[in-house]
Amino acid sequence: AQTVTQSQPEMSVQEAETVTLSCTYDTSESDYYLFWYKQPPSRQMILVIRQEAYKQQNATENRFSVNFQKAAKSFSLKISDSQLGDAAMYFCAYRSNTGNQFYFGTGTSLTVIP
Amino acid sequence: GAVVSQHPSWVICKSGTSVKIECRSLDFQATTMFWYRQFPKQSLMLMATSNEGSKATYEQGVEKDKFLINHASLTLSTLTVTSAHPEDSSFYICSPNQRGGYPRSYNEQFFGPGTRLTVL
Repeated sequence: AQTVTQSQPEMSVQEAETVTLSCTYDTSESDYYLFWYKQPPSRQMILVIRQEAYKQQNATENRFSVNFQKAAKSFSLKISDSQLGDAAMYFCAYRSNTGNQFYFGTGTSLTVIP
Repeated sequence: GAVVSQHPSWVICKSGTSVKIECRSLDFQATTMFWYRQFPKQSLMLMATSNEGSKATYEQGVEKDKFLINHASLTLSTLTVTSAHPEDSSFYICSPNQRGGYPRSYNEQFFGPGTRLTVL
């Protein structure tokens, strides 16, 4: 089974600064999807960004961008101009192109310091 | 975006009773439904996967007789926790899957808002 590793249980960032959350994964597949989800205190899972493995270009969504290194099986999330509302648990997730099951990392709790 | 509802959002019950959690996809048809369990400050743990009209497939260690899943229609799935005990107290999240289309069949995945179950 695929595994997803988030080595940073907790991170903090000053408001307006930039922070990078790390994620690595293990797979033998060549075609898959990677995701970053945000889970605020409300516990609702919110999709932050999605990357398709066959695309070399890193995905970006406003202040959120990823650094996708397929050979290294690394998928980090960069949050620029951090805002108080960015404080949440962030989960990295993997999904095969041939199946629907998600494999989640253990999460990184992000604190934004005013 | 697609809307997924879960009901109830929170429930407190006595030990030994059964609790039913409903998950509805309000504006799309869910071909596959995933049910997750999440303990405080932990990740989502997949409990089972179900396809409409078929029996659910349970993950190892999940008791199928305790966690009954029914996926009777493309817009409704239910999770029933039978004879609940305090150790079943957790946050339960449904995640329906919507099949995509051209040009690349991407199955969009959504998440319900979750149900907090407390068993006394």
